[in-house]
Amino acid sequence: GQQVMQIPQYQHVQEGEDFTTYCNSSTTLSNIQWYKQRPGGHPVFLIQLVKSGEVKKQKRLTFQFGEAKKNSSLHITATQTTDVGTYFCAGPVYAGGTSYGKLTFGQGTILTVHP
Amino acid sequence: DVKVTQSSRYLVKRTGEKVFLECVQDMDHENMFWYRQDPGLGLRLIYFSYDVKMKEKGDIPEGYSVSREKKERFSLILESASTNQTSMYLCASSTDRSYTEAFFGQGTRLTVV
Repeated sequence: GQQVMQIPQYQHVQEGEDFTTYCNSSTTLSNIQWYKQRPGGHPVFLIQLVKSGEVKKQKRLTFQFGEAKKNSSLHITATQTTDVGTYFCAGPVYAGGTSYGKLTFGQGTILTVHP
Repeated sequence: DVKVTQSSRYLVKRTGEKVFLECVQDMDHENMFWYRQDPGLGLRLIYFSYDVKMKEKGDIPEGYSVSREKKERFSLILESASTNQTSMYLCASSTDRSYTEAFFGQGTRLTVV
Protein backbone atom coordinates (compact mmCIF):
# COMPACT_ATOMS: atom_id res chain seq x y z
CA GLY A 1 0.00 0.00 0.00
CA GLN A 2 0.88 3.64 -0.18
CA GLN A 3 3.51 4.77 2.30
CA VAL A 4 4.45 8.27 3.33
CA MET A 5 7.80 8.66 5.02
CA GLN A 6 8.76 11.77 6.91
CA ILE A 7 12.16 12.85 8.24
CA PRO A 8 13.57 13.74 10.63
CA GLN A 9 11.57 12.28 13.49
CA TYR A 10 12.91 14.90 15.90
CA GLN A 11 14.47 18.31 15.45
CA HIS A 12 15.82 20.52 18.21
CA VAL A 13 16.71 24.08 17.25
CA GLN A 14 17.64 27.31 18.95
CA GLU A 15 15.14 30.08 18.56
CA GLY A 16 15.96 31.97 15.38
CA GLU A 17 17.37 28.97 13.54
CA ASP A 18 15.69 27.53 10.47
CA PHE A 19 13.89 24.19 10.35
CA THR A 20 12.97 21.81 7.53
CA THR A 21 10.99 18.59 7.46
CA TYR A 22 10.80 16.32 4.42
CA CYS A 23 8.08 14.03 3.21
CA ASN A 24 8.39 11.24 0.62
CA SER A 25 5.60 9.13 -0.82
CA SER A 26 5.94 5.68 -2.38
CA THR A 27 3.36 6.71 -5.01
CA THR A 28 2.54 9.84 -6.95
CA LEU A 29 0.14 12.05 -5.04
CA SER A 30 -2.73 14.12 -6.40
CA ASN A 31 -2.13 16.57 -3.57
CA ILE A 32 -0.35 16.78 -0.25
CA GLN A 33 -1.51 18.32 2.99
CA TRP A 34 0.39 19.58 6.01
CA TYR A 35 -0.88 19.60 9.58
CA LYS A 36 0.48 20.98 12.84
CA GLN A 37 -0.20 19.46 16.25
CA ARG A 38 0.70 21.58 19.27
CA PRO A 39 1.77 19.72 22.43
CA GLY A 40 -1.36 18.33 24.07
CA GLY A 41 -3.45 19.35 21.08
CA HIS A 42 -4.88 17.82 17.94
CA PRO A 43 -3.70 18.07 14.33
CA VAL A 44 -4.78 21.25 12.59
CA PHE A 45 -4.72 21.69 8.84
CA LEU A 46 -2.11 24.15 7.59
CA ILE A 47 -2.11 23.97 3.82
CA GLN A 48 -2.63 21.86 0.72
CA LEU A 49 -0.43 21.68 -2.36
CA VAL A 50 -1.84 20.40 -5.64
CA LYS A 51 0.35 21.38 -8.57
CA SER A 52 3.70 19.88 -9.54
CA GLY A 53 6.51 22.13 -8.29
CA GLU A 54 4.10 24.29 -6.32
CA VAL A 55 5.48 26.59 -3.64
CA LYS A 56 3.28 28.29 -1.06
CA LYS A 57 4.17 30.59 1.79
CA GLN A 58 2.47 31.36 5.07
CA LYS A 59 4.49 34.08 6.81
CA ARG A 60 7.70 32.27 7.89
CA LEU A 61 6.54 28.86 6.59
CA THR A 62 7.35 27.74 3.04
CA PHE A 63 5.80 24.61 1.58
CA GLN A 64 7.01 22.89 -1.57
CA PHE A 65 5.58 20.07 -3.68
CA GLY A 66 8.08 18.18 -5.80
CA GLU A 67 8.04 18.12 -9.57
CA ALA A 68 7.20 14.42 -9.59
CA LYS A 69 4.50 14.95 -6.92
CA LYS A 70 6.09 12.32 -4.71
CA ASN A 71 7.84 14.54 -2.20
CA SER A 72 7.25 17.68 -0.25
CA SER A 73 8.95 19.87 2.31
CA LEU A 74 8.06 22.39 4.98
CA HIS A 75 10.63 25.04 5.83
CA ILE A 76 10.34 27.44 8.75
CA THR A 77 12.56 30.49 8.72
CA ALA A 78 13.78 31.93 12.03
CA THR A 79 11.87 29.62 14.33
CA GLN A 80 9.98 30.96 17.31
CA THR A 81 8.81 29.19 20.45
CA THR A 82 5.28 29.29 19.05
CA ASP A 83 6.44 26.93 16.27
CA VAL A 84 6.86 24.07 18.77
CA GLY A 85 4.83 20.99 17.90
CA THR A 86 4.60 18.03 15.57
CA TYR A 87 4.32 18.61 11.84
CA PHE A 88 2.66 15.97 9.70
CA CYS A 89 2.38 15.57 5.97
CA ALA A 90 -0.51 13.55 4.53
CA GLY A 91 -1.49 12.27 1.12
CA PRO A 92 -4.85 10.96 -0.12
CA VAL A 93 -5.43 7.25 -0.57
CA TYR A 94 -7.49 6.29 -3.60
CA ALA A 95 -9.44 3.12 -4.23
CA GLY A 96 -11.67 2.76 -7.24
CA GLY A 97 -11.18 6.39 -8.24
CA THR A 98 -12.24 8.01 -4.99
CA SER A 99 -10.45 8.63 -1.72
CA TYR A 100 -13.47 9.30 0.53
CA GLY A 101 -11.13 11.76 2.21
CA LYS A 102 -8.82 9.00 3.39
CA LEU A 103 -5.34 10.23 4.18
CA THR A 104 -2.05 8.46 4.80
CA PHE A 105 0.02 10.41 7.30
CA GLY A 106 3.76 10.58 7.66
CA GLN A 107 5.23 9.73 11.04
CA GLY A 108 5.57 13.40 11.89
CA THR A 109 8.51 15.59 12.88
CA ILE A 110 8.59 16.80 16.47
CA LEU A 111 10.05 20.29 16.62
CA THR A 112 11.50 21.65 19.83
CA VAL A 113 12.61 25.28 19.96
CA HIS A 114 14.98 26.36 22.72
CA PRO A 115 14.67 30.05 23.67
CA ASP B 1 -16.01 26.80 12.48
CA VAL B 2 -16.17 23.05 12.18
CA LYS B 3 -16.37 21.36 15.49
CA VAL B 4 -15.49 17.73 16.08
CA THR B 5 -16.14 16.67 19.64
CA GLN B 6 -14.95 13.51 21.32
CA SER B 7 -16.79 12.37 24.39
CA SER B 8 -13.78 12.04 26.69
CA ARG B 9 -10.28 13.50 26.90
CA TYR B 10 -9.00 10.76 29.19
CA LEU B 11 -10.23 7.23 29.86
CA VAL B 12 -8.89 4.43 32.01
CA LYS B 13 -10.34 0.98 31.39
CA ARG B 14 -9.57 -2.53 32.53
CA THR B 15 -8.38 -5.34 30.29
CA GLY B 16 -11.33 -7.17 28.78
CA GLU B 17 -13.81 -4.30 29.12
CA LYS B 18 -15.90 -3.18 26.18
CA VAL B 19 -15.03 0.45 25.47
CA PHE B 20 -17.00 3.02 23.50
CA LEU B 21 -15.41 6.18 22.12
CA GLU B 22 -17.89 8.67 20.76
CA CYS B 23 -17.36 11.41 18.19
CA VAL B 24 -19.78 14.05 16.97
CA GLN B 25 -19.29 16.62 14.21
CA ASP B 26 -21.52 19.59 13.56
CA MET B 27 -20.75 20.45 9.93
CA ASP B 28 -22.78 17.82 8.08
CA HIS B 29 -19.60 16.13 6.83
CA GLU B 30 -20.04 12.92 4.87
CA ASN B 31 -16.72 11.31 5.87
CA MET B 32 -15.65 10.41 9.37
CA PHE B 33 -12.50 8.68 10.56
CA TRP B 34 -10.90 7.10 13.59
CA TYR B 35 -7.13 7.30 13.87
CA ARG B 36 -4.76 6.00 16.47
CA GLN B 37 -1.66 8.03 17.31
CA ASP B 38 1.43 6.41 18.82
CA PRO B 39 4.93 7.91 19.20
CA GLY B 40 7.05 7.38 16.11
CA LEU B 41 4.17 5.84 14.16
CA GLY B 42 2.21 8.93 13.21
CA LEU B 43 -1.53 8.64 12.69
CA ARG B 44 -2.81 5.26 11.61
CA LEU B 45 -6.31 4.81 10.24
CA ILE B 46 -8.47 2.32 12.12
CA TYR B 47 -11.83 2.69 10.36
CA PHE B 48 -13.62 5.24 8.27
CA SER B 49 -17.16 5.90 7.14
CA TYR B 50 -18.32 7.77 4.04
CA ASP B 51 -22.03 7.64 4.76
CA VAL B 52 -24.53 6.61 7.40
CA LYS B 53 -24.27 2.89 8.13
CA MET B 54 -21.33 2.60 5.72
CA LYS B 55 -17.94 1.66 7.09
CA GLU B 56 -14.61 0.54 5.72
CA LYS B 57 -11.58 -0.93 7.41
CA GLY B 58 -8.48 1.17 7.60
CA ASP B 59 -4.93 -0.02 8.11
CA ILE B 60 -5.26 -1.40 11.65
CA PRO B 61 -8.87 -2.54 12.25
CA GLU B 62 -8.10 -5.62 14.33
CA GLY B 63 -9.70 -5.46 17.77
CA TYR B 64 -11.96 -2.56 16.83
CA SER B 65 -15.40 -2.03 15.35
CA VAL B 66 -17.37 1.10 14.51
CA SER B 67 -20.92 2.32 14.28
CA ARG B 68 -22.46 5.17 12.34
CA GLU B 69 -26.19 5.29 12.84
CA LYS B 70 -26.46 9.05 12.30
CA LYS B 71 -24.50 11.28 9.97
CA GLU B 72 -23.05 13.40 12.73
CA ARG B 73 -21.94 10.59 15.05
CA PHE B 74 -19.22 7.97 14.62
CA SER B 75 -18.41 5.55 17.41
CA LEU B 76 -15.32 3.43 17.91
CA ILE B 77 -15.76 0.23 19.90
CA LEU B 78 -13.06 -1.83 21.51
CA GLU B 79 -14.75 -5.18 21.89
CA SER B 80 -12.39 -6.44 24.58
CA ALA B 81 -9.80 -3.87 25.57
CA SER B 82 -6.18 -4.97 25.78
CA THR B 83 -3.11 -3.19 27.08
CA ASN B 84 -1.71 -2.80 23.56
CA GLN B 85 -4.70 -0.60 22.76
CA THR B 86 -3.45 2.04 25.18
CA SER B 87 -3.05 5.02 22.90
CA MET B 88 -4.32 8.42 21.75
CA TYR B 89 -7.44 8.09 19.62
CA LEU B 90 -8.34 10.87 17.21
CA CYS B 91 -11.63 11.30 15.40
CA ALA B 92 -11.78 13.37 12.22
CA SER B 93 -14.33 14.41 9.64
CA SER B 94 -14.26 15.83 6.13
CA THR B 95 -16.55 16.68 3.26
CA ASP B 96 -16.84 14.51 0.17
CA ARG B 97 -15.34 17.15 -2.10
CA SER B 98 -12.06 16.41 -3.83
CA TYR B 99 -8.94 17.60 -2.04
CA THR B 100 -10.73 18.00 1.23
CA GLU B 101 -8.90 18.54 4.50
CA ALA B 102 -9.60 16.72 7.74
CA PHE B 103 -10.91 18.36 10.90
CA PHE B 104 -9.86 16.61 14.08
CA GLY B 105 -11.39 16.25 17.51
CA GLN B 106 -9.36 16.97 20.61
CA GLY B 107 -8.42 13.32 21.08
CA THR B 108 -9.08 10.68 23.72
CA ARG B 109 -6.14 9.30 25.63
CA LEU B 110 -7.10 5.76 26.54
CA THR B 111 -5.19 3.75 29.10
CA VAL B 112 -5.98 0.05 29.46
CA VAL B 113 -4.75 -1.46 32.70
